[in-house]
Amino acid sequence: GDSVTQMEGPVTLSEEAFLTIICTYTATGYPSLFWYVQYPGEGLQLLLKATKADDKGSNKGFEATYRKETTSFHLEKGSVQVSDSAVYFCALSSNSGGSNYKLTFGKGTLLTVNP
Amino acid sequence: SAVISQKPSRDICQRGTSLTIQCQVDSQVTMMFWYRQQPGQSLTLIATANQGSEATYESGFVIDKFPISRPNLTFSTLTVSNMSPEDSSIYLCSVEDSPGMPFSFGEGSWLTVV
Repeated sequence: GDSVTQMEGPVTLSEEAFLTIICTYTATGYPSLFWYVQYPGEGLQLLLKATKADDKGSNKGFEATYRKETTSFHLEKGSVQVSDSAVYFCALSSNSGGSNYKLTFGKGTLLTVNP
Repeated sequence: SAVISQKPSRDICQRGTSLTIQCQVDSQVTMMFWYRQQPGQSLTLIATANQGSEATYESGFVIDKFPISRPNLTFSTLTVSNMSPEDSSIYLCSVEDSPGMPFSFGEGSWLTVV
């Protein structure tokens, strides 16, 4: 079945540091890929998405490129801020032979950015 | 994207009781999904709810424990029955904004069972 493997956390960085969160996936067919973010005490929000190979999703300075050859969707940001402190979830959506598109999530990576 | 409202946002429940969570969407949607997020864990799909048909449950989840209603295209409920402390979780409602495309989530219902 489908699965998502995310870099283990927690990750602690200083403000303005470079961020990479590793995400790889296993899926049948051609999944869509997502990064969701969960800020402390809040619900889940879509951060960015990519629907086909070589697509780059971007939002709020974050980027991720859909790499079919390496089955990866790593999240990057060039300069993190304290306000980026949150849990980040990599996820995929695929119609694995059925009629429902379901989200499969990674375990999440807690990011803490210190001033 | 769809706007989703969940009630209650938080609750503290007694062991052995049941609680029904409501999910209201601001547009008509075909598929609605219910997820559970246990403390410090990722999200796990409980079931998929289509209007007018029985919900489809994922492995490890059963209708007797998590009955779901889907009376129309904008509303669904999830009941957590006979609760135990292990049911302490965030329960999230989700919808597809378009077939297979970004999913919107409610803010979640944070349940603590004591």
